[in-house]
Amino acid sequence: EVQLLESGGGLVQPGGSLRLSCAASGFTFSSYAMSWVRQAPGKGLEWVSAISGSGANTYYADSVKGRFTISRDSSETTLFLQMNSLRAEDTAVYYCAKALYHLPYGGEDHWGPGTLVTVSS
Amino acid sequence: EIVLTQSPATLSLSPGERATLSCRASQSVSSYLAWYQQKPGQAPRLLIYDASNRATGIPARFSGSGSGTDFTLTISSLEPEDFAIYYCQQRSWPPYTFGQGTKLEIK
Repeated sequence: EVQLLESGGGLVQPGGSLRLSCAASGFTFSSYAMSWVRQAPGKGLEWVSAISGSGANTYYADSVKGRFTISRDSSETTLFLQMNSLRAEDTAVYYCAKALYHLPYGGEDHWGPGTLVTVSS
Repeated sequence: EIVLTQSPATLSLSPGERATLSCRASQSVSSYLAWYQQKPGQAPRLLIYDASNRATGIPARFSGSGSGTDFTLTISSLEPEDFAIYYCQQRSWPPYTFGQGTKLEIK
């Protein structure tokens, strides 16, 4: 059974940093692209970033490019999102999700429960 | 960036009725479009990928169609558990943008 569990969320001041982790199990981690998707309180879904199965290709939304970095550790089957220069508008539940393929085509067929990031002074 | 526009914003129907949800892209995304369902307090669930392929475990009452810029999600006969918010997402080219969602509510 595929399982994804995010951690690392919390309260951070504007301009601060946070590192999210997503522990994955139940599938061959290095064979699938992974993504981060966020949802601000009461709002719709916003795609944030994706990484190919090998880790060689990364993709970002314009709103986070240059501030967020996605990475993965296949030995620990863990996905990361390093978030720097955080802003109030980054406040959201952050979901980790597994893609259908090695590259981020198709869609995300498994999702974690999400972790809340709050950026506030 | 490709913009997806979903319509209607809210759809009020009764169980047993047919639901038709629309998603229009600002430029062609070929068939690289996915549909998700989200219920309150839950993560999204993939329903349809590549415009018309049902994801694993998705009931046959859900179907997707379209290509280019116009796409449709159809629920043939609504079950009580189908009332939720539905999002389309283009997977043609990053950023993989979502539509703003259609809320399907019980009439």
